[in-house]
Amino acid sequence: EIVLTQSPGTLSLSPGERATLSCRASQSVSSSFLAWYQQKPGQAPRLLMSGASSRATGIPDRFSGSGSGTDFTLTITRLEPEDFAIYYCQLYGTSPRFTFGPGTKVDV
Amino acid sequence: QITLKESGPTLVKPTQTLTLTCTFSGFSLSTSAVGVGWIRQPPGKAPEWLALIYWNDDKRYSPYLKTRLTITKDTSKNQVVLTMTNMDPVDTATYYCAHRRDYSDYWFDPWGQGTLVTVSS
Repeated sequence: EIVLTQSPGTLSLSPGERATLSCRASQSVSSSFLAWYQQKPGQAPRLLMSGASSRATGIPDRFSGSGSGTDFTLTITRLEPEDFAIYYCQLYGTSPRFTFGPGTKVDV
Repeated sequence: QITLKESGPTLVKPTQTLTLTCTFSGFSLSTSAVGVGWIRQPPGKAPEWLALIYWNDDKRYSPYLKTRLTITKDTSKNQVVLTMTNMDPVDTATYYCAHRRDYSDYWFDPWGQGTLVTVSS
């Protein structure tokens, strides 16, 4: 079973700053199987990034994803007030299975 | 526009069976490769995938919960139903249903708004 870890647990930043979020898999995975979601309080998760680096429909270009193997990164170049939220990475596995990381909270 | 909405009881007692319904629009579960999944999220924790049903009635379950879960669909009503037996307080969570467009989409998009289920006597 592949385990996802996310770091840091909490990222305290200000609007306009750059956010770098990490998602690490316990073994090498295909980047095609890695997605990122954003979740705001009281809302469902929203797909941000699929295939590690492809922005979902309507996602602004200040969001970018990268990585391969075991290490993946979500970057927000200039934080907007609406970007303060929890971010989860998710991995697709065989059977199928969908595994979520523990999340990174981006707050002020 | 694809939308999904979960419905069901907000409170269940321990040992009872939970039945949740996902009613969707904007797509058909008779379209090849389309799927609908259920995911839950305990308060303050990460989401956890539970089950997935495909257009052809193929069903997949979380290995950790498969003995307690049943997922079914009613294509004519645009509904997917999840049942979970032997509910326990640790099953308290917001339960979401979500759309999976294709076998090559390794994610869910979009999700329903979720429904909070509390397990308590």
